Amino acid sequence: EAQVTQNPRYLITVTGKKLTVTCSQNMNHEYMSWYRQDPGLGLRQIYYSMNVEVTDKGDVPEGYKVSRKEKRNFPLILESPSPNQTSLYFCASSSLAGYGETQYFGPGTRLLVL
Amino acid sequence: AQKVTQAQTEISVVEKEDVTLDCVYETRDTTYYLFWYKQPPSGELVFLIRRNSFDEQNEISGRYSWNFQKSTSSFNFTITASQVVDSAVYFCALSDVAVYNQGGKLIFGQGTELSVKP
Repeated sequence: EAQVTQNPRYLITVTGKKLTVTCSQNMNHEYMSWYRQDPGLGLRQIYYSMNVEVTDKGDVPEGYKVSRKEKRNFPLILESPSPNQTSLYFCASSSLAGYGETQYFGPGTRLLVL
Repeated sequence: AQKVTQAQTEISVVEKEDVTLDCVYETRDTTYYLFWYKQPPSGELVFLIRRNSFDEQNEISGRYSWNFQKSTSSFNFTITASQVVDSAVYFCALSDVAVYNQGGKLIFGQGTELSVKP
């Protein structure tokens, strides 16, 4: 089944404790992206990757890191999480980096930073 | 700048009623794409439909239908004979050339929360 998977689905952590949210897709997509969803602010892009070893900042990259060593994986790293990073996170992928391609989303990761 | 407006924040209907979710978009490009996604209470984002700006034909998929009108920059979504399982937040989204150059992201509306009561 074609899908985007994320782990963990739920995470409670404390300020400053490094964490990684994994994202993997099995559709051989070149493009991958991370969004966060917050009440009243909607969905905002954090980072994106056009292909392996090609990543760039989105609209709200502060406090996050990413890597793209393999085509299928695009982990999101929070080196020193803070409470304002409490959010619902989505990974997405699409077949091309061009506009108009459908982005398929993972199931989401709910993060609570205490 | 690109923008997607979903003016209806919340809609509540009784099962079997028809309901239309409005979406109005802004873009300077002549070629663009519009999408609808569903976010059920479980939280995931489910792709429903993709439409390009050159195809103004309405589309029907079961109880779902979409009405695209370039003249009014609208891409409305209608659910016929709504069911409790349709309860979700629905998002309209836009992609155009300018957005592609900003990292390929989708521009989302704020979403419409649909509640279908039995």
